[in-house]
Amino acid sequence: EPEVTQTPSHQVTQMGQEVILRCVPISNHLYFYWYRQILGQKVEFLVSFYNNEISEKSEIFDDQFSVERPDGSNFTLKIRSTKLEDSAMYFCASSVRGGYGYTFGSGTRLTVV
Amino acid sequence: SQKIEQNSEALNIQEGKTATLTCNYTNYSPAYLQWYRQDPGRGPVFLLLIRENEKEKRKERLKVTFDTTLKQSLFHITASQPADSATYLCALDMIYNQGGKLIFGQGTELSVKP
Repeated sequence: EPEVTQTPSHQVTQMGQEVILRCVPISNHLYFYWYRQILGQKVEFLVSFYNNEISEKSEIFDDQFSVERPDGSNFTLKIRSTKLEDSAMYFCASSVRGGYGYTFGSGTRLTVV
Repeated sequence: SQKIEQNSEALNIQEGKTATLTCNYTNYSPAYLQWYRQDPGRGPVFLLLIRENEKEKRKERLKVTFDTTLKQSLFHITASQPADSATYLCALDMIYNQGGKLIFGQGTELSVKP
């Protein structure tokens, strides 16, 4: 069964450093997403991406965040200057389109110290 | 204000019984409602989706109902097994520009005892 692959599985970074989280979505999916889950809390929407541009973003997704599809297979989330409160599990997801099930990756656990 | 709420307590049931999980929402008008399973430290796994004009959907031992008047969905697992133990997430699918945006509930932890 096709999978969404995320790397790295764990990342520890110093506050103020930049991090890039990487994802390989399912090849025939057209929509790509990032979600995050702070420990013990709900899964929260960050951003959706279609046709090489952001189609929707949440209030969480401020100027410190950016997404990119640098080539035909990778999808990245960059946090420019990490804060302690950015510590969370970050999930990449992809879907054929809205109204279909989403396939989530296993996540990257980001710890900001 | 907008809210999505699931069973607040963890659910403990005996193997073989039917588990029923509840999802209630206010001040949303989702086009779809989805259910996911999440194991500790893992990403959500898609189980079932139901559209706003559907009342019920089944897949093997799973059944979902959707009442847009009550703003409620019920998720049933029949003949439950210990392997069904996990957290189950309800998610409202808000369709934007042909893409989607899932609004998740906080999840219900299900424990099935042998």
